[in-house]
Amino acid sequence: GENVEQHPSTLSVQEGDSAVIKCTYSDSASNYFPWYKQELGKRPQLIIDIRSNVGEKKDQRIAVTLNKTAKHFSLHITETQPEDSAVYFCAASNQAGTALIFGKGTTLSVSS
Amino acid sequence: GAVVSQHPSWVICKSGTSVKIECRSLDFQATTMFWYRQFPKQSLMLMATSNEGSKATYEQGVEKDKFLINHASLTLSTLTVTSAHPEDSSFYICSARDLNGLAVYNEQFFGPGTRLTVL
Repeated sequence: GENVEQHPSTLSVQEGDSAVIKCTYSDSASNYFPWYKQELGKRPQLIIDIRSNVGEKKDQRIAVTLNKTAKHFSLHITETQPEDSAVYFCAASNQAGTALIFGKGTTLSVSS
Repeated sequence: GAVVSQHPSWVICKSGTSVKIECRSLDFQATTMFWYRQFPKQSLMLMATSNEGSKATYEQGVEKDKFLINHASLTLSTLTVTSAHPEDSSFYICSARDLNGLAVYNEQFFGPGTRLTVL
């Protein structure tokens, strides 16, 4: 089955700096890669996703890149703000409708 | 659109009792729903895949007789934790796929979660 590795587990940056979180996956059949932000005690919130037919997607300060050959994808947050502080999860699944398999999460702390 | 609700949002029960958690898709039909469990400071771990009208598929290590799943309609799946023990205390989250609009993209919509505390 699919296995998703996520690094780093914690990340501390200064406000305005960029943050990068990286994930690798094992199943070459996976073709959907979402990123979630989760605040304590709440549901995961989808912030951006990418499908295997594109290599990069951007939404304002957030971007995701995908390298299918290497089986890794990354989340890039620019101009970080204190409200970006949260736990971020990457996930992977395939089009056949299987469940999302999550990475272990990254706790991002943005200090002002 | 694409709203998923869960009930209850939190529950406290005594050891040995059973607890039922409901997951509903409010404005779309979901042939497939997923149940996840999240312990403090950990990731979401898939417990089972719930298919409307058929038996659930459980992940390795998840006891099907302890975590009973019923998906009797296209908008409702239930998870019953039977004979709950303190180690079952966790945050249980369901998710659902939109059968019609977004199935091809596999986007999933999460419920708000249920905090279970077993005393």
